[in-house]
Amino acid sequence: EVQLVQSGAEVKKPGESLKISCKGSGYSFTNYWVAWVRQMPGKGLEWMGIIYPGDSDTRYSPSFEGQVIISADKSITTAYLQWGSLKASDTAMYYCARRVTATAPFDYWGQGTLVTVSS
Amino acid sequence: DIQMTQSPSSLSASVGDRVTITCRASQNIRSYLNWYQQKPGKAPKLLIYAASSLQSGVPSRFSGSESGTDFTLTISSLQPEDFATYYCQQSYSTLTFGPGTKVDIK
Repeated sequence: EVQLVQSGAEVKKPGESLKISCKGSGYSFTNYWVAWVRQMPGKGLEWMGIIYPGDSDTRYSPSFEGQVIISADKSITTAYLQWGSLKASDTAMYYCARRVTATAPFDYWGQGTLVTVSS
Repeated sequence: DIQMTQSPSSLSASVGDRVTITCRASQNIRSYLNWYQQKPGKAPKLLIYAASSLQSGVPSRFSGSESGTDFTLTISSLQPEDFATYYCQQSYSTLTFGPGTKVDIK
């Protein structure tokens, strides 16, 4: 069974760093792209970036380039999304999702990680 | 970047109604258009890919079509479990989602 299992909810203060994870199982992790999608409270879906764990090819949405870092450790079939210095505006639900090719849809999604940034 | 618009932004419908949601791309995206359903507190779920292909396990009352840069999601007979928000997404170039259409109970 294909699964993407994300790490748990986080509560952080502005300026703190954070790394959340997405563990893939039930499929060949290195042969699928893993994307991160942000959903701010009450808002729509925003694509942040994507990584191909097979060769670590990573691409970012222009809106998120330089704001976050996407990485993956194929030895433990896990993708990551990290921030160096969180802002209150980073408060959102973050989803990971997989796709088989650069133009394919996202066929499996993680359950989401809620990140709350508040002083 | 390719912009996606959806109409309407929300609609109210009754069980058994035929519902149509439209998505328009700002430029040619060929058939690289996908539809997702999201229920409150849940991750999105893929319904339709490549404009008109039904994802495995999705009920046949859902269908997709295209005409140029206009794409349509149709629910032939709305069921109670279909009340949700629907998003289109283009995967032709840098990924973008439409703003969503909320379908609620009339």
